[in-house]
Amino acid sequence: DAKTTQPNSMESNEEEPVHLPCNHSTISGTDYIHWYRQLPSQGPEYVIHGLTSNVNNRMASLAIAEDRKSSTLILHRATLRDAAVYYCILGYSTLTFGKGTMLLVSP
Amino acid sequence: DAGVIQSPRHEVTEMGQEVTLRCKPISGHNSLFWYRQTMMRGLELLIYFNNNVPIDDSGMPEDRFSAKMPNASFSTLKIQPSEPRDSAVYFCASSLGDRTRSNTGELFFGEGSRLTVL
Repeated sequence: DAKTTQPNSMESNEEEPVHLPCNHSTISGTDYIHWYRQLPSQGPEYVIHGLTSNVNNRMASLAIAEDRKSSTLILHRATLRDAAVYYCILGYSTLTFGKGTMLLVSP
Repeated sequence: DAGVIQSPRHEVTEMGQEVTLRCKPISGHNSLFWYRQTMMRGLELLIYFNNNVPIDDSGMPEDRFSAKMPNASFSTLKIQPSEPRDSAVYFCASSLGDRTRSNTGELFFGEGSRLTVL
């Protein structure tokens, strides 16, 4: 599986935008870029995914670099409930989770 | 919709005992996954089924672990005999579609079963 590199942790203030980076320089042409998050004591939940074009949904936006070697998950206005571990995953069918980025949100 | 339902939520057992974890996927979903999460190793994919058939069990740690899916609405993960290093949170997830054909649809996870083996 192609690997992803994410910062171990990031901090944000409530109601500010958050940009979570992910590097995936060995991505293959068929790999989709998936983002999941895991709140404390819960199972992971889907956030967003994309292939080449930027994607938006009600939770977040996904910006994908033109060469697809990196991507950024954008939370437009962080809330305390967004404090979680965010996983960037490359996948064609099954998903292999890495360590993720722990997002801390301060009031 | 009830979501993915796992039981038990918590299990404490002694080394050598048999442990059975259960999962009910979302109705209509035909792909099912078992993951294990520990602090040391993070989230690991153990096995996944498509249309009740095991497709990839390469993540199953050893012969002590077995998983079955007798029908579309039920799956079990069994550990026999259990060991302290099996202590972890076990997650079941399901998704719609055939993931053997690159379905990239959303995975829905259950709340997990926390296993402690003494």
